[in-house]
Amino acid sequence: GAGVSQSPSNKVTEKGKDVELRCDPISGHTALYWYRQSLGQGLEFLIYFQGNSAPDKSGLPSDRFSAERTGGSVSTLTIQRTQQEDSAVYLCASSLLSTYEQYFGPGTRLTVT
Amino acid sequence: KQEVTQIPAALSVPEGENLVLNCSFTDSAIYNLQWFRQDPGKGLTSLLLIQSSQREQTSGRLNASLDKSSGRSTLYIAASQPGDSATYLCAVTPHAGGTSYGKLTFGQGTILTVHP
Repeated sequence: GAGVSQSPSNKVTEKGKDVELRCDPISGHTALYWYRQSLGQGLEFLIYFQGNSAPDKSGLPSDRFSAERTGGSVSTLTIQRTQQEDSAVYLCASSLLSTYEQYFGPGTRLTVT
Repeated sequence: KQEVTQIPAALSVPEGENLVLNCSFTDSAIYNLQWFRQDPGKGLTSLLLIQSSQREQTSGRLNASLDKSSGRSTLYIAASQPGDSATYLCAVTPHAGGTSYGKLTFGQGTILTVHP
């Protein structure tokens, strides 16, 4: 079946602009996760949606970052007033709640100029 | 706070060798441990998942073990091939109630190069 998909694959934006990154999880996966991978920082957890529960936002680095998940499926990560330090690869993953085995998408490479 | 460490940071071996990658974690209260592979410029591919109640998992030439009490896992790769060259990442999921249940804490990875 189809895996996790993310769009766009690459995004170049100017400092101060807002960006939206999209994630389509595997069909039937009720848990969805966002991570960020940057040089020198490794992979960092950002936010986690579990079914209809309130999301775990403990990894969001600032209030410029937000995410939503509509209809329990597609998720959008929004970064407002982008800064150069936001440049990274943003990875989305999904899993079943029974195993928590996470399957990752190909990522969105964000470059802030 | 959970911390995950992977040793070595990089490994270069000739084709055909058996090799071991190491992962350690500071908090033994984990739900599961996953090993991933990442090729340059790509996302993560799940290799093996070990639940906290399990001791090991096998898939083809890969075998992963888990010693939760000592906070250690190893990934054994048999008869390595050039196509195994990639970064290998270890990650753990916390065993805690509430919404922190699923998030992964990653190690920094081991960069593996298998040369012909």
